[in-house]
Order: sequence, then structure tokens, then C-alpha cells
Amino acid sequence: GAGVSQSPSNKVTEKGKDVELRCDPISGHTALYWYRQSLGQGLEFLIYFQGNSAPDKSGLPSDRFSAERTGGSVSTLTIQRTQQEDSAVYLCASSPPGGSGNTEAFFGQGTRLTVV
Amino acid sequence: DQQVKQNSPSLSVQEGRISILNCDYTNSMFDYFLWYKKYPAEGPTFLISISSIKDKNEDGRFTVFLNKSAKHLSLHIVPSQPGDSAVYFCAARSGNTPLVFGKGTRLSVIA
Repeated sequence: GAGVSQSPSNKVTEKGKDVELRCDPISGHTALYWYRQSLGQGLEFLIYFQGNSAPDKSGLPSDRFSAERTGGSVSTLTIQRTQQEDSAVYLCASSPPGGSGNTEAFFGQGTRLTVV
Repeated sequence: DQQVKQNSPSLSVQEGRISILNCDYTNSMFDYFLWYKKYPAEGPTFLISISSIKDKNEDGRFTVFLNKSAKHLSLHIVPSQPGDSAVYFCAARSGNTPLVFGKGTRLSVIA
């Protein structure tokens, strides 16, 4: 597909369970980001992958959150022992190579996670 | 500490009039600024951007103004249309760092 694809689009899980959210970025995009949007809030940065560099994990809210990007393409965000406050829309974005950083990020449609 | 602030959570404008959405930032290292538009149940879509070396960028009905001394940018939409009703996010970055977003402003264009 032409855009960023995320799956599943909706996920309901029980408190304490682990969840995995998947992101397929646009082909050729070297940067990949995960953000989340809680109800009534802005987009909160979680983690950033740029090419072969070490990921910027500074936005991960706790050690229950982790993310991988395999082969420089698909990324998986894992949340262990989910809590109700993890309920949010998780958004993935990718952007093309751009040395100066003057490139926009293209977002997927998001995964709505509900922890009950 | 919020580095990008959108102080108006909502704005209502009549169709055909100008919509002005505002954004303030605190980090003087930001060198690239973007506006995104978001409809319910969809991801944000890129609207327009501006580099810190410019003070204005125009694309059709959308114009972004940057005032570096005031650390302020604004998005003008003219004429506003009902289809412009959405949440608008301001974002900024420094070099290749991740985009930092504001909390958004919900624009309602009334027919």
C-alpha cells in the first residue's frame, strides 16, 4: 500500500495482559515514530527509529513499553502488563530520508487500545 | 514542560471567513514547523510546513506565518469551508529530532 499501515485498528484487552501493535511504514522511509494520543490530549512522543542509529526511547512512559524495528521496516510496539491508563490511540508515522530534517512525517490511522 | 503550546482548545468560524489558529513554542532550537489536520478515527495528515529561515509559506487557502522573535506561528485558512472542520495540531522539530506536538485546536466551520 501507499501509506503507513497499522494493525489492529482496534484492540480491547484485559488489564495485566500483554499487547503488540504493528506498524508497516511507507517503503523507503528511514525514520519511524510511535506516538500516542490519550482522550483530550495531544500527541505524546514514545519512540523514534532513524536508519541504523540507536532508537530514541526517551518518550517511553515506563519499562512496560518497548518497541522493535526489524530489517529497517516493520515495527512492533509491545506493552506488557497493560494498565487502564495505557488506553489511548497509538499512532505510527514514517518519514523519508532528509539530512536537514525538513521532511514531514506521514501517519497511519492508529490503533485504538482499550484496557478493561 | 510543554515546548509547543496551542492555547485555544477550540475555535468556531463562519463559512467563508478567515480561520486563524495559533501556536507558541519555547525551544529556540526548533528549525522546522508543521501543521497537521486530524479527522475523528483517522491519523493526522500533513497540511503545511515552514522552515525557520522563512517567515511565510502559502499553499492555496492555507498560509503559515512564523515570528521567530516571538516564538509564535499561526495558520490562516481563507476562505474557511465546512470540510476544514477538524482538529489542527502544530508541531516543531530541531534537526532530525522527533516532532513535538501541541495539544491541538478543534476548528468548527459553521455553514
